[in-house]
Amino acid sequence: KAGVTQTPRYLIKTRGQQVTLSCSPISGHRSVSWYQQTPGQGLQFLFEYFSETQRNKGNFPGRFSGRQFSNSRSEMNVSTLELGDSALYLCASSQGFGYTGELFFGEGSRLTVL
Amino acid sequence: AQKVTQAQTEISVVEKEDVTLDCVYETRDTTYYLFWYKQPPSGELVFLIRRNSFDEQNEISGRYSWNFQKSTSSFNFTITASQVVDSAVYFCALRGSNYKLTFGKGTLLTVNP
Repeated sequence: KAGVTQTPRYLIKTRGQQVTLSCSPISGHRSVSWYQQTPGQGLQFLFEYFSETQRNKGNFPGRFSGRQFSNSRSEMNVSTLELGDSALYLCASSQGFGYTGELFFGEGSRLTVL
Repeated sequence: AQKVTQAQTEISVVEKEDVTLDCVYETRDTTYYLFWYKQPPSGELVFLIRRNSFDEQNEISGRYSWNFQKSTSSFNFTITASQVVDSAVYFCALRGSNYKLTFGKGTLLTVNP
């Protein structure tokens, strides 16, 4: 079956702009979580969505937001981009919130902020 | 608070050598789950193994083996007879009662021919 699909794979923005990233989970998976990966901070949890509701949130400013649609697809948005937002953004899907099994990750969206 | 420490930032070995990647964790939860993921250059995190806090049995899967010791809060990963294709960044992670996955900083493994 198809894996987790993230779009776009690469994008370049300038400071102050906003960006929207998309994630389509594995068919049948209803939970989507987002992670930011940077060389300095490593992999950090952003938030998790299940049944169109944010269930969990990491320690990121309000400029980072997300949503989930009825088909479980998710988007995350970063407004007023800063240089420090340059990162690989990874999306992961799982069967449901609180599921203790493995998360399945996409290849990520690499954002560069100039 | 949860914390995962991978003290080895980079490891370089020659093909066919055995290599162990260390992982030490901290958590106050009594029920938790430990994971290892592999990240090749493509960026995707590939699941390798999951262990729950009540199962201290070591596991072997082909050339891969894992040693879980609650007494030392460690969950180490050994690759036997390493191959060039094993070159990647390896992450250890912990999922506790808050359901958030906390990752270590990762270990870059380079296997040279």
